[in-house]
Amino acid sequence: EVQLVESGGGLVQPGASLKLSCVASGFTFSDYWMSWVRQTPGKTMEWIGDIKYDGSYTNYAPSLKNRFTISRDNAKSTLYLQMSNVRSEDTATYYCTRRVSHWFAYWGQGTLVTVSS
Amino acid sequence: DVVMTQTPVSLSVSLGGQVSISCRSSQSLVHNNGNTYLSWYLQKPGQSPQLLIYKVSNRFSGISDRFSGSGSGTDFTLKISRVEPDDLGVYYCGQGTQYPYTFGAGTKLELK
Repeated sequence: EVQLVESGGGLVQPGASLKLSCVASGFTFSDYWMSWVRQTPGKTMEWIGDIKYDGSYTNYAPSLKNRFTISRDNAKSTLYLQMSNVRSEDTATYYCTRRVSHWFAYWGQGTLVTVSS
Repeated sequence: DVVMTQTPVSLSVSLGGQVSISCRSSQSLVHNNGNTYLSWYLQKPGQSPQLLIYKVSNRFSGISDRFSGSGSGTDFTLKISRVEPDDLGVYYCGQGTQYPYTFGAGTKLELK
């Protein structure tokens, strides 16, 4: 069974940094592109970016690429999202997803990030 | 960016009924390789989104044949027949043809 378990969310102050993790199981992690998608409190879904199966290539939403970095450790079956200089508009639930071709086949349960002073 | 417009915003249905949700894109979703990467997701209350349909009309593993997708170019439809209580939630369309990938704002399906 495919499982994606995110962690690392919480309350963070504006301007701070935060690193989210997603541990994958139930499939060969190193075979798949992975993505991060976030959902705002108003339920808007926003694609953040994705990373190639070997970590050699990443794509980002233009509005986020200067502050967010996606990486992976295939030996640990873990996906990461490094967030820097966070803003109130980054408050959202962050989902780790397993991409299949050009769609999001599996989603984690999400981790909530709240940016507030 | 490709803007995805879903209508209606919300929908009331009786159990056993049929509904359709529309999704329109601001640009054609036909990829250079000839495929159309339009997918549908359902987010049940308190849960993560789940994939229902990919490439316009292909049902994902384990998805009931009561769900069907159709359309082409910029105009797409999700139909749900014989609606069951477990179908309630928010439906999103999403495009994977062009970066950045984008989603519609969602259609909430409720019981009448």
